[in-house]
Amino acid sequence: EAQVTQNPRYLITVTGKKLTVTCSQNMNHEYMSWYRQDPGLGLRQIYYSMNVEVTDKGDVPEGYKVSRKEKRNFPLILESPSPNQTSLYFCASSFGAGGYTQYFGPGTRLTVL
Amino acid sequence: AQSVAQPEDQVNVAEGNPLTVKCTYSVSGNPYLFWYVQYPNRGLQFLLKYITGDNLVKGSYGFEAEFNKSQTSFHLKKPSALVSDSALYFCAVRVGGGSQGNLIFGKGTKLSVKP
Repeated sequence: EAQVTQNPRYLITVTGKKLTVTCSQNMNHEYMSWYRQDPGLGLRQIYYSMNVEVTDKGDVPEGYKVSRKEKRNFPLILESPSPNQTSLYFCASSFGAGGYTQYFGPGTRLTVL
Repeated sequence: AQSVAQPEDQVNVAEGNPLTVKCTYSVSGNPYLFWYVQYPNRGLQFLLKYITGDNLVKGSYGFEAEFNKSQTSFHLKKPSALVSDSALYFCAVRVGGGSQGNLIFGKGTKLSVKP
């Protein structure tokens, strides 16, 4: 089944404790992206990757890191999480940018205490 | 800079009535426009998109949207609403051409369809 998977789905952590949210897709997509969803703010793009070893900042990259060492995986790294990073995070992938449709993962609900 | 506006936080419709969810955009070139839907506790699902061509785009679940370049709008419509259409709807825009990776979403509109 074609899908985007994220792990973990739920995570409660404390300020400053490094964490990684994994994202994997099995559709051979070149483009991958991370978003955060906050009430009243909609979805905001954090980082995106047009291909392996190619990443770029979205609208809200501060406090996040990403890497794209292989096509199928695009982990999101929070090296020192803070409470303002409490949010619902979505990973998405598509064949490319432009007019290609993005496929979204199920989401990761992160709480930073 | 690209931007998307969904002027209504919530739209309430009676089942069987037509529905419209509004979206306006601002880009510095030709836009690629998308509508996504989010059901409770789920990820986003693609509904439809406008890339080029016919201004009226038909999508999943009976939804359609009309691209209006002069009004920079891409309103989502459905002739007869169902209770199961109740969800959160997002409009998104990207500058056309394929080289722009940044995708901008609106803040979302909650659609509530009452029986």
